[in-house]
Amino acid sequence: DSGVTQTPKHLITATGQRVTLRCSPRSGDLSVYWYQQSLDQGLQFLIQYYNGEERAKGNILERFSAQQFPDLHSELNLSSLELGDSALYFCASSVGPGVPPYEQYFGPGTRLTVT
Amino acid sequence: AQSVTQLGSHVSVSEGALVLLRCNYSSSVPPYLFWYVQYPNQGLQLLLKYTSAATLVKGINGFEAEFKKSETSFHLTKPSAHMSDAAEYFCAVSDSGTGNQFYFGTGTSLTVIP
Repeated sequence: DSGVTQTPKHLITATGQRVTLRCSPRSGDLSVYWYQQSLDQGLQFLIQYYNGEERAKGNILERFSAQQFPDLHSELNLSSLELGDSALYFCASSVGPGVPPYEQYFGPGTRLTVT
Repeated sequence: AQSVTQLGSHVSVSEGALVLLRCNYSSSVPPYLFWYVQYPNQGLQLLLKYTSAATLVKGINGFEAEFKKSETSFHLTKPSAHMSDAAEYFCAVSDSGTGNQFYFGTGTSLTVIP
């Protein structure tokens, strides 16, 4: 158990809908990262937050957005869903930026199926 | 830009045989390298990391990796495969930049044959 929790575990929804994925980081971690894992794209970095502020952006679509709240939990919002958005969405957390970088601890993931 | 390449999307070994999973990196600055393992229906778990200290890094479950700058490689090895090692393995490179973003390879699926 990494200490990172994600809800829900599974989500099935229809095209055009909007969903929210939730992540609670490990106790003491200030950084949260979101990743998308699909068969054809592999593990893609979406976005990172550090202590409530957006820190880095990866291959995140404009239809997707995220935020980190004062209690450090994070939510990833996916809207106007398309079939291609079906994937595993992982949240990871770390202490924060550092030199050398701190390892990231991954949650169990949310499996999103868009029908 | 930083990236890693994992050669061989599928590797099969016999139980008790040597495990060798290949990872080559590309980085304009000294890299920080990680190996993660993903068991079916689970998240990624850190196996080991290289952060510019010793070039031979030992991790959990008997795995180790050697950083070779001249070959830009960070291959993962285990002397004797166990059935429980069957999983997906990911190599990742990070930097000391703004967010310590991780760049993951495409993964290598390890099958252990009894």
